[in-house]
Amino acid sequence: GAVVSQHPSRVICKSGTSVKIECRSLDFQATTMFWYRQFPKKSLMLMATSNEGSKATYEQGVEKDKFLINHASLTLSTLTVTSAHPEDSSFYICSAGTGTGASPLHFGNGTRLTVT
Amino acid sequence: GQNIDQPTEMTATEGAIVQINCTYQTSGFNGLFWYQQHAGEAPTFLSYNVLDGLEEKGRFSSFLSRSKGYSYLLLKELQMKDSASYLCAARDSNYQLIWGAGTKLIIKP
Repeated sequence: GAVVSQHPSRVICKSGTSVKIECRSLDFQATTMFWYRQFPKKSLMLMATSNEGSKATYEQGVEKDKFLINHASLTLSTLTVTSAHPEDSSFYICSAGTGTGASPLHFGNGTRLTVT
Repeated sequence: GQNIDQPTEMTATEGAIVQINCTYQTSGFNGLFWYQQHAGEAPTFLSYNVLDGLEEKGRFSSFLSRSKGYSYLLLKELQMKDSASYLCAARDSNYQLIWGAGTKLIIKP
């Protein structure tokens, strides 16, 4: 159980275009989902916390107008990278948990974004 | 501030045992997690500790000492497929996860 599906796994786009990444919890409801970014050989960097039915909470230094997050239902959160630039090229990973106790975060398989 | 420290890289031999240490400093504490991450893939959950002591799960065990702000992940009977990065993450009083930079484990035949 507790499967998180992330799509697409890889995407290449041109500078100036927008890319949408979907994150779905397949067998559980996730009121909160997390979006991370990871640079090569670096740890996970939390970008924002996505809350169902309300605005996302962005971490310091993350541009909310550039990284649009929508959490329209208990099973779907989307991250849209707007007006992408080469420096946005990275590995983006979403995660969701079933609660705050011993339950761990379950991660999607990640999206490798390359902006040319 | 909040901080997680773990070694950057470790090397071990197939069939051997390796211990990956993690020290943490957080505002409050609500558990410590270990994740495995293969290159280019998302992290997968390995273990969770919230009370002091050792939790054993097959070849992997995790230990926690809250008074020392210390945890370790013990991997036994190492296999080549265990080559990966191992991420330590502590949950603070707000249930936010604080991540370590990960330990890259290299297994040699």
